[in-house]
Amino acid sequence: SAVISQKPSRDICQRGTSLTIQCQVDSQVTMMFWYRQQPGQSLTLIATANQGSEATYESGFVIDKFPISRPNLTFSTLTVSNMSPEDSSIYLCSVEYSSYNEQFFGPGTRLTVL
Amino acid sequence: GQQVMQIPQYQHVQEGEDFTTYCNSSTTLSNIQWYKQRPGGHPVFLIQLVKSGEVKKQKRLTFQFGEAKKNSSLHITATQTTDVGTYFCAGWDNFNKFYFGSGTKLNVKP
Repeated sequence: SAVISQKPSRDICQRGTSLTIQCQVDSQVTMMFWYRQQPGQSLTLIATANQGSEATYESGFVIDKFPISRPNLTFSTLTVSNMSPEDSSIYLCSVEYSSYNEQFFGPGTRLTVL
Repeated sequence: GQQVMQIPQYQHVQEGEDFTTYCNSSTTLSNIQWYKQRPGGHPVFLIQLVKSGEVKKQKRLTFQFGEAKKNSSLHITATQTTDVGTYFCAGWDNFNKFYFGSGTKLNVKP
C-alpha cells in the first residue's frame, strides 16, 4: 500500500494562467502516472512519469501543455499550462510498485478554470 | 483505437439485490483490474485477474476474466449501501497501454 498526497486539493484559476500540481508518495516508487477525470467520467491517462527518464505522453496530450517533472522516486509535478475552461477537471496521480500490477491513487486535485 | 466499455452505465438496486457490471475490450488484455471509486473519492484497487477464464471471490464480490481475455465481469451478491460507487475495470493491452473502462455507477437504495 502507499500513502499519496496531492497539493493543492482544489483550485480556481483564471484562463491563460498555469497551475502546478504536486504529488508526494510516502515510499520510493519507479512508476508514477498522471490522469485526468472529468466529473462523472472515466479516467484518462495523461502521461507516465518514471524517474530517470522523460515522461511518456498519451495521444492527445503534449509536453508543452502538461509539462511533468520527476526529480526523485517520491515526488512528481504536473503543470497545466495556459489553462482554458476545458481544462477544468480532476487531476490524479497514481503509483505502481511493480509492472502491470495494482495502482494506488492520490486524492486528486479539483481544478476549475474560469 | 482501443476501447474498454462497461455496461450498464448506471444501475439502481434495492439493498439486498444482486448487481453485475460487464467490461468489454476491443482487444485482448494481458490482465484485468477492478477499481471502486466512492462519490468524491479516488479509485481504490479491488482485484487483478491474469489468467484466461480466471474467477476470484472477495466476500460478496465475484470477478471473472473471459476465456478470450477481452471481457470481464464483477458480480455483487446481496448489495449493501456501502457498495455505492462507480466500478471501473482497467487493463494492460499487448502494446503496453493501460486503459480504464467507462465505469458503472451503482446506487443502492436502503
